[in-house]
Amino acid sequence: EDKVVQSPLSLVVHEGDTVTLNCSYEVTNFRSLLWYKQEKKAPTFLFMLTSSGIEKKSGRLSSILDKKELFSILNITATQTGDSAVYLCAVATTSGTYKYIFGTGTRLKVLA
Amino acid sequence: DSGVTQTPKHLITATGQRVTLRCSPRSGDLSVYWYQQSLDQGLQFLIHYYNGEERAKGNILERFSAQQFPDLHSELNLSSLELGDSALYFCASSVLTGGGNTIYFGEGSWLTVV
Repeated sequence: EDKVVQSPLSLVVHEGDTVTLNCSYEVTNFRSLLWYKQEKKAPTFLFMLTSSGIEKKSGRLSSILDKKELFSILNITATQTGDSAVYLCAVATTSGTYKYIFGTGTRLKVLA
Repeated sequence: DSGVTQTPKHLITATGQRVTLRCSPRSGDLSVYWYQQSLDQGLQFLIHYYNGEERAKGNILERFSAQQFPDLHSELNLSSLELGDSALYFCASSVLTGGGNTIYFGEGSWLTVV
C-alpha cells in the first residue's frame, strides 16, 4: 500500500530558528513530490520536486528530494511567526492512474 | 486565491440527510480531485475526475458519489450522513491528469453533521 510519512508530527520553535521537516514515502510508480502549507483552510502550494538532488528554493524555504532513499526535506531558515502552519507532503503516483497521496503533516508553531 | 471555488463554505445538517458540495475548478483545469480532512487527520483522497470521466477512487464510502459535468464543475454527493462524516471537504484541480502537475485547492466546505 502506498504511504507517505512525515516527521516530526509537531514542532515548536522560536523566531529565528531553522527547522527541517521530513517526508518519507513508499509508493509504486513515483512521479513527483509536492509540499504544501496549510494555515486556516486551503493548502497552498510551495514546491514540486521530480528530480533527485536538485534543491528548490523560495526565499527562506528550500526543499530537496532523494529518490534513492525515498525522502524529502523542507527547510525553513530564520523562522517567523507567520511560518506557523501545518506543512503537508504529497506524492504523485501513477498506480493505474494518477493519485496524490498526502502525509498527515507536520504542525509547526513559531513563538515570538 | 487559488482560483478553485467551493460552495457552500459551511454546512450543518442532521444525521440521515443528504448534501451536495460543489466545486468549480480553475479556468482551463480538466482534473478535479476530492479530499476529506477530519480533525487532526491528513487529507484522505476520495475521487478523481478528468474531463467528465472518473479516473480514480480512493477511500470513498458507498454513500458518497461524485460527478463532473460538461462545464467541468464537479459535485460531491454525501447521503445517509453520519456523525463521523463531519469534516472539511476539499476540491482541488490541475491542468492535466499528469503526476507532474501541481494541484490547487479550494477553500473547502466545512460539513458538520449533528
